[in-house]
Amino acid sequence: GIQVEQSPPDLILQEGANSTLRCNFSDSVNNLQWFHQNPWGQLINLFYIPSGTKQNGRLSATTVATERYSLLYISSSQTTDSGVYFCAVGDNYGQNFVFGPGTRLSVLP
Amino acid sequence: NAGVTQTPKFQVLKTGQSMTLQCAQDMNHEYMSWYRQDPGMGLRLIHYSVGAGITDQGEVPNGYNVSRSTTEDFPLRLLSAAPSQTSVYFCASSYGGTVGYTFGSGTRLTVV
Repeated sequence: GIQVEQSPPDLILQEGANSTLRCNFSDSVNNLQWFHQNPWGQLINLFYIPSGTKQNGRLSATTVATERYSLLYISSSQTTDSGVYFCAVGDNYGQNFVFGPGTRLSVLP
Repeated sequence: NAGVTQTPKFQVLKTGQSMTLQCAQDMNHEYMSWYRQDPGMGLRLIHYSVGAGITDQGEVPNGYNVSRSTTEDFPLRLLSAAPSQTSVYFCASSYGGTVGYTFGSGTRLTVV
């Protein structure tokens, strides 16, 4: 099956710093999503981005499907950005939807 | 409030007991799915459904059954609970498995 890797596994930042999280996947996909799991366990969808670039406030994401990677950019980080960021990939309709192991982000005040 | 509702939030079972985790959504999403999350790991897909009357297996389906009689509801049944099924279970829904992916708040299950 498809393999998903995320880097770095852990990241500690001071408030206001920028960061880049990476997701590598082993096969072509039609469906790629980024999620944030906050410290209370709630999962929030950030982006549906099988290709191209999207931006939402301080967050943006880029997927280069031909090279099988996606990047999540967080600018001017805030303590509320803390949590685990997951990349997930699969086919249309979520068949074989596979989550990566996540990047744990801690933003210090 | 629109969203995905999971019940119960917490449950303790004895080995061999059966139970049903409930999941309901009010967004008219045709796609629904169940995941489990073990400590320090990502989510793993258990079962999913692309519409009422249609279900299929994910990565880790053994020991679980699902059915989808309505668009709104997608219950997950544990047939005979085992300690290996101790986990946090999340239900999700979306348009076609892509847009609008929404998770419930999770059910923390402990099997003793």
